[in-house]
Amino acid sequence: QQQVKQSPQSLIVQKGGISIINCAYENTAFDYFPWYQQFPGKGPALLIAIRPDVSEKKEGRFTISFNKSAKQFSLHIMDSQPGDSATYFCAASKNFGNEKLTFGTGTRLTIIP
Amino acid sequence: DTGVSQNPRHKITKRGQNVTFRCDPISEHNRLYWYRQTLGQGPEFLTYFQNEAQLEKSRLLSDRFSAERPKGSFSTLEIQRTEQGDSAMYLCASSLWPQETQYFGPGTRLLVL
Repeated sequence: QQQVKQSPQSLIVQKGGISIINCAYENTAFDYFPWYQQFPGKGPALLIAIRPDVSEKKEGRFTISFNKSAKQFSLHIMDSQPGDSATYFCAASKNFGNEKLTFGTGTRLTIIP
Repeated sequence: DTGVSQNPRHKITKRGQNVTFRCDPISEHNRLYWYRQTLGQGPEFLTYFQNEAQLEKSRLLSDRFSAERPKGSFSTLEIQRTEQGDSAMYLCASSLWPQETQYFGPGTRLLVL
């Protein structure tokens, strides 16, 4: 069963625009929600993470919005750049991240000039 | 480079052969995770270790799969009697528990012919 659902599967955004990727989870025991960025041939790299005690977290151009009641969270990339072109995965974990990560299916983001 | 390293990076084998992958975590990291990633999907959890103790195994990990971390440092993942369905990227990640961030290696891409 897919515990973390991610959409869209692919996304094309113009340079300077806002990229938005959405995730929904089912298990209310999840309490740590990271986003990972993966380039071809590389392992995933942590981008930003949030815990459910806050509704938003911002780091540079990257923001996570979290809606606990809806069991949804999203990644916003402001002023998207060609270097942001990659595959993005949302994930969730229990025990404040000290357990296995359950990943979404990924979003392939392409930033066009 | 002090990141997570995995060897080999690529492995081609024939169905029925045994293969072994190695993961060297970031120095001092006490937790080590194995995930499997198939094309177009997010990583799926296989197993993880706290030091040398294997704490959890996924149901995905059939009896043909075995993982070890004998001295609490590097880990090996062995697949016996490989099948074409085992073709995937095998990712290793490490963390310094109780910190939650998992750092991924570049992966070992396995192709079973």
